[in-house]
Amino acid sequence: EVQLVDSGGGLVQPGGSLRLSCTASGFTFSSFGMNWVRQAPGKGLEWVSFISSGSNTIQYADSVKGRFTISRDDAKNSLYLHMNNLRAEDTAVYYCVRERGHIDYWGQGTLVTVSS
Amino acid sequence: EIVLTQSPDTLSLSPGERATLSCRASQSVITYLGWYQQKPGQAPRLLIYDTSNRATGIPARFSGSGSGTDFTLTISSLEPEDFAVYYCHQRYNWPYTFGQGTKLEIK
Repeated sequence: EVQLVDSGGGLVQPGGSLRLSCTASGFTFSSFGMNWVRQAPGKGLEWVSFISSGSNTIQYADSVKGRFTISRDDAKNSLYLHMNNLRAEDTAVYYCVRERGHIDYWGQGTLVTVSS
Repeated sequence: EIVLTQSPDTLSLSPGERATLSCRASQSVITYLGWYQQKPGQAPRLLIYDTSNRATGIPARFSGSGSGTDFTLTISSLEPEDFAVYYCHQRYNWPYTFGQGTKLEIK
């Protein structure tokens, strides 16, 4: 069974940093591209970032470019999102999402709240 | 950036009725369009990928169609568990984008 477990969310002050993690199981993690997608409270879905298998291709939404860094550790079946210089508008549930051509499985999400 | 516009914003129907949800892209996405269902407090779930392919375990009452800029998700006969928010998503071009969602509510 495919499982994606998101963690690392919490309350952080504006300008602060946070690292999100996603631990995968039930499939060959190294063979899949991975994404982060976020959802602000009561709002729709917003794609944040993508990393290909082998980390050859990395993409970011303009809203996070230069502040967020996506990475992966295939030996640990893990995906990461390093978030710096956080803003109030980054407040959202962040989902780790698997992709192989199309996005299919989603983690349960981890809540990031940026507030003083 | 490709903008996806879903219509209607809210659709009020009764169980057993047919639901038709629309997604229009600001430019062609060929057939690289998917549909996701989200229930309150849950992560989205893939229903349809690449316009018309049902994901594993998705009932046959869900179907997708379209190409280019106009796409449709059809639920042939609504079950009580189908009332949720539905999002379309394009993977044709970076940045990936989602529609704003259609809320399917019980009439």
